[in-house]
Amino acid sequence: GQNIDQPTEMTATEGAIVQINCTYQTSGFNGLFWYQQHAGEAPTFLSYNVLDGLEEKGRFSSFLSRSKGYSYLLLKELQMKDSASYLCAVRGGAAGNKLTFGGGTRVLVKP
Amino acid sequence: ETGVTQSPTHLIKTRGQQVTLRCSSQSGHNTVSWYQQALGQGPQFIFQYYREEENGRGNFPPRFSGLQFPNYSSELNVNALELDDSALYLCASSLSQGREETQYFGPGTRLLVL
Repeated sequence: GQNIDQPTEMTATEGAIVQINCTYQTSGFNGLFWYQQHAGEAPTFLSYNVLDGLEEKGRFSSFLSRSKGYSYLLLKELQMKDSASYLCAVRGGAAGNKLTFGGGTRVLVKP
Repeated sequence: ETGVTQSPTHLIKTRGQQVTLRCSSQSGHNTVSWYQQALGQGPQFIFQYYREEENGRGNFPPRFSGLQFPNYSSELNVNALELDDSALYLCASSLSQGREETQYFGPGTRLLVL
């Protein structure tokens, strides 16, 4: 089976840095994705990792360690518009190329 | 904007009824995946269609069924609706061509079953 764990909620201040951790246990692995989801909206793609290491995209970075079943999403220079849920998803397993999502981490950015 | 569209945006049904949700994939994409997202939870995989064939299914009963058409658009059908089927239904399209195959989501259909 697949199990994805991430914290339920985090609070940070505008301009600060927040790190959202994700641990996973999966029967197969073919990449890890991070999505951002604002309330009432669809998830939007942020990043993809399939090899160990750090991927940087502007203010957002994502890290993967396959041996540890661990990833994090780093948000720098937080802005109020970054208040959203962040979803960690792993691809792979028995059912084709499905994504298995964690429950999401709600990030609240305060002034 | 991902180029993935879904209809309708909102829907209210009563228990026992049937519903059909529609999804148009992004231009150039050949794969559609459907997810159910209950309030405050992450999306749960229902099934995926690739070249008009089901290509993987999650832990959902047979009353959840789907179709993919030659233009790669897709439908999700749910029979004998139950109260617990109330959720946001998300469609995601992707291009099966290699390792990354990022899935891009449509805006979703919010279904309320009374």
